[in-house]
Amino acid sequence: EIVTTQSPATLSVSPGERATLSCRASQSVRSNLAWYQQKPGQAPRLLIYGASTRATDVPARFSGSGSGTEFTLTISSLQSEDFAVYYCQQYNDWPRTFGQGTKVEMK
Amino acid sequence: EVQLVESGGGLAQPGGSLRLSCAASGFTFSTYEMDWVRQAPGKGLEWVSDISGSGNFIYYADSVKGRFTTFRDNAKNLVFLQMNSLRAEDTAVYYCARGFPVWIMGSGSYSHFDSWGQGTLVTVSS
Repeated sequence: EIVTTQSPATLSVSPGERATLSCRASQSVRSNLAWYQQKPGQAPRLLIYGASTRATDVPARFSGSGSGTEFTLTISSLQSEDFAVYYCQQYNDWPRTFGQGTKVEMK
Repeated sequence: EVQLVESGGGLAQPGGSLRLSCAASGFTFSTYEMDWVRQAPGKGLEWVSDISGSGNFIYYADSVKGRFTTFRDNAKNLVFLQMNSLRAEDTAVYYCARGFPVWIMGSGSYSHFDSWGQGTLVTVSS
């Protein structure tokens, strides 16, 4: 099983600042990695797939990078609606696996 | 517009059974993989199962293999998760999600989850 590990567990950021979230896979997943955003009481929402392609209607301040085993989600200038939990997920191999999540909270 | 609506959650006793349903609309259902993902209270996301568009290929997480069965009815745009031998650790919100394929030349297709239902809560307790 491919283990996906996210860091940090919690990120404290002020509005307008940049946030950088990391995801590491225990073996190569090529570019088959997605990022999801989840707010309390809501279903996850797809942000990024293919490691770097923004999903429909996702603002340009969200960007993804990386391939193989190291991936990054960057939020260039945090807006109030961006405070949430973010999960990475590999879909290169079975079983599909999610990271444990990074909570982005207001500083 | 893609819509996924789960139903069938509720309270079950340890060792009992429940069947979840996910009703899909807004897309050609039979051409998409469908997945189940769960989230225990206060915890992260856990992938549970995937079923191909035809229903011929099905994958399970080790934690549910042998206890849960996924199947679909393409005529009715429904996907199901039959959960047997339920345990307290199966308590979670269960989401169905559509697997959207991206073809990679020389490798095949790989699907991320582009649409999610609102989830249905399953509680396993005596």
